[in-house]
Amino acid sequence: EDQVTQSPEALRLQEGESSSLNCSYTVSGLRGLFWYRQDPGKGPEFLFTLYSAGEEKEKERLKATLTKKESFLHITAPKPEDSATYLCAPSSGSARQLTFGSGTQLTVLP
Amino acid sequence: SAVISQKPSRDICQRGTSLTIQCQVDSQVTMMFWYRQQPGQSLTLIATANQGSEATYESGFVIDKFPISRPNLTFSTLTVSNMSPEDSSIYLCSASGRGAGELFFGEGSRLTVL
Repeated sequence: EDQVTQSPEALRLQEGESSSLNCSYTVSGLRGLFWYRQDPGKGPEFLFTLYSAGEEKEKERLKATLTKKESFLHITAPKPEDSATYLCAPSSGSARQLTFGSGTQLTVLP
Repeated sequence: SAVISQKPSRDICQRGTSLTIQCQVDSQVTMMFWYRQQPGQSLTLIATANQGSEATYESGFVIDKFPISRPNLTFSTLTVSNMSPEDSSIYLCSASGRGAGELFFGEGSRLTVL
């Protein structure tokens, strides 16, 4: 059975204080790992897809990286508007085979 | 990208009643899905809504409890039947994007069952 664990569950940062979120996964035959952002009261918003170990993707202050067992979401010099819950979801195939983690709730204080 | 509209956005219902949630996509999409997100937890896939045929349900979810319709490539409904307080949750409609795991989501329907 595919499993995914995200840590920490919650993270509070001062504006400008860089950090990383972790996503550890056990998937039979990883076909892709997906990162989403979810704001309170909203549906998740797609951020990145990573397909193979060593791959990196960047978007503004966010950079996602992938190893064979983990993915990291690095946040550089975060701003309050980066506050959200970040979800990772490895997949062993189709969209039906996405397994969502429980997320890291990030709060960036001004 | 696709814009997904869900309604109702929230509702409070009595035990034993049923509620139908509607999902409208602004463009034709191949795959549509229904997820449940319980308080403080992540997303669980309920079923894949198939156009013109019966939905494909995941383990733990059955058609009698969660009947789904998908009459065309832009619209789907999820009904939560014979509700109990345990059905209180956020129900999310999603549609596939370019890649298999690139999903667009609606804003969700927050259901409270008393």
